[in-house]
Amino acid sequence: AQRVTQPEKLLSVFKGAPVELKCNYSYSGSPELFWYVQYSRQRLQLLLRHISRESIKGFTADLNKGETSFHLKKPFAQEEDSAMYYCALITNAGKSTFGDGTTLTVKP
Amino acid sequence: GAVVSQHPSRVICKSGTSVKIECRSLDFQATTMFWYRQFPKQSLMLMATSNEGSKATYEQGVEKDKFLINHASLTLSTLTVTSAHPEDSSFYICSARQDRNNEQFFGPGTRLTVL
Repeated sequence: AQRVTQPEKLLSVFKGAPVELKCNYSYSGSPELFWYVQYSRQRLQLLLRHISRESIKGFTADLNKGETSFHLKKPFAQEEDSAMYYCALITNAGKSTFGDGTTLTVKP
Repeated sequence: GAVVSQHPSRVICKSGTSVKIECRSLDFQATTMFWYRQFPKQSLMLMATSNEGSKATYEQGVEKDKFLINHASLTLSTLTVTSAHPEDSSFYICSARQDRNNEQFFGPGTRLTVL
C-alpha cells in the first residue's frame, strides 16, 4: 500500500530564511505527486504538481525517485507563506493518499 | 479554476438526527470524490472515496452504516451522517478529482455541531 510521510508536524522559520518541507513516499508504481496548501480560514488548494515542474509563489519541488522524496522548497520565506501544507500522492489506479500535513509558521 | 461547493456550510443538530451534506463540482466532471474530516489544527482524515455509480470505499475505522455516501452523478456526492452524536461534531471536507488531469479541488467544508 502507498504511504506519504511528512515528518515535521510543525516548522517555524524567520522571514527571508530558506524553508524546506519534507515529504517522503512509498509506492511501487510511478506516482503523481502534489503539494496542497491551506491558508487560515481558506479551503485547501493545489500549490504545485511534479508533472508540471512549475514554480508557484516561489515554491519548487523536485521528485527524487531514488530517495522517494518530493520536498517543497522556497529560498526566501515570506510571512504570507504561513499555512498548512499537505503532500499527496496519486497511484496508477487513481487512489489519493495525503500526508498528515506540516504547519509552517514564518515569523517576522 | 474549477470550483467545488458544499452545502450547508454550517449545521447544528440534535443528537440522534441525521444530517446530509452535499458536495458539487460546479464546472467539471468528477468520477471520484473524497470525504474528509478535519479536527482543529490537525490534518485531514480521509473517510471514504466516492465513485460515481458504485459503492463508496471506506477507510478503516469509518462506519459505512453511519456515514452514508451516495455519488449519483458526475457532479454530486452526498454524505449523510446518520443518528449523529456529539462525537461526530467536526469539519467535513469534500474534494472532487477532475477526470481529465487528476487534480483535486476542495470544497470549503461543512462545520457540523451535534448538541
